[in-house]
Amino acid sequence: DGGITQSPKYLFRKEGQNVTLSCEQNLNHDAMYWYRQDPGQGLRLIYYSQIVNDFQKGDIAEGYSVSREKKESFPLTVTSAQKNPTAFYLCASSYLFYGYTFGSGTRLTVV
Amino acid sequence: GEDVEQSLFLSVREGDSSVINCTYTDSSSTYLYWYKQEPGAGLQLLTYIFSNMDMKQDQRLTVLLNKKDKHLSLRIADTQTGDSAIYFCAELRANNAGNMLTFGGGTRLMVKP
Repeated sequence: DGGITQSPKYLFRKEGQNVTLSCEQNLNHDAMYWYRQDPGQGLRLIYYSQIVNDFQKGDIAEGYSVSREKKESFPLTVTSAQKNPTAFYLCASSYLFYGYTFGSGTRLTVV
Repeated sequence: GEDVEQSLFLSVREGDSSVINCTYTDSSSTYLYWYKQEPGAGLQLLTYIFSNMDMKQDQRLTVLLNKKDKHLSLRIADTQTGDSAIYFCAELRANNAGNMLTFGGGTRLMVKP
């Protein structure tokens, strides 16, 4: 079955540590996105990529980095520069006007 | 960009109809969407409507679109406890990088037995 997979489901980060969240899709979608969701809040766009080897900053890119070396993969690195990284992270992909397909999310907690 | 607006909270009794409202901003938006998010999960696409339509029905779901007022609504008939979730509306907007969705802040639907 086609879909979009995020891993891990839960991730714990120590202060000053970089962590990478995985997002893989086998839908053959060109565009991919990363969102952050805080408790009781909506979605905020971190980064997006409309095509392989190209990506753009969203509304809250500071403290995050991405790469898009393969069509299927769009990993997100939360760097030590992100001072408040505890949140629920959602990855999505899309094709034309058919809406976004979302992964099941990664919950990141700073310990 | 300008916000897509939704009310924060809606409470209904099981078996009643629920109506979730959304006001969008871009009169040139071609597609509008409704998503459902259950606790701890990703967003699930429920339905979408093309801007040349006024209404779309899919089983218990009815989407109404008023382009003049830029108002979108989602009606859930015979609401069940399993419908308790956060519902997001979204509009498709064009920008320099292509077409992207802009989401509302979400409406939390609580269904009481």
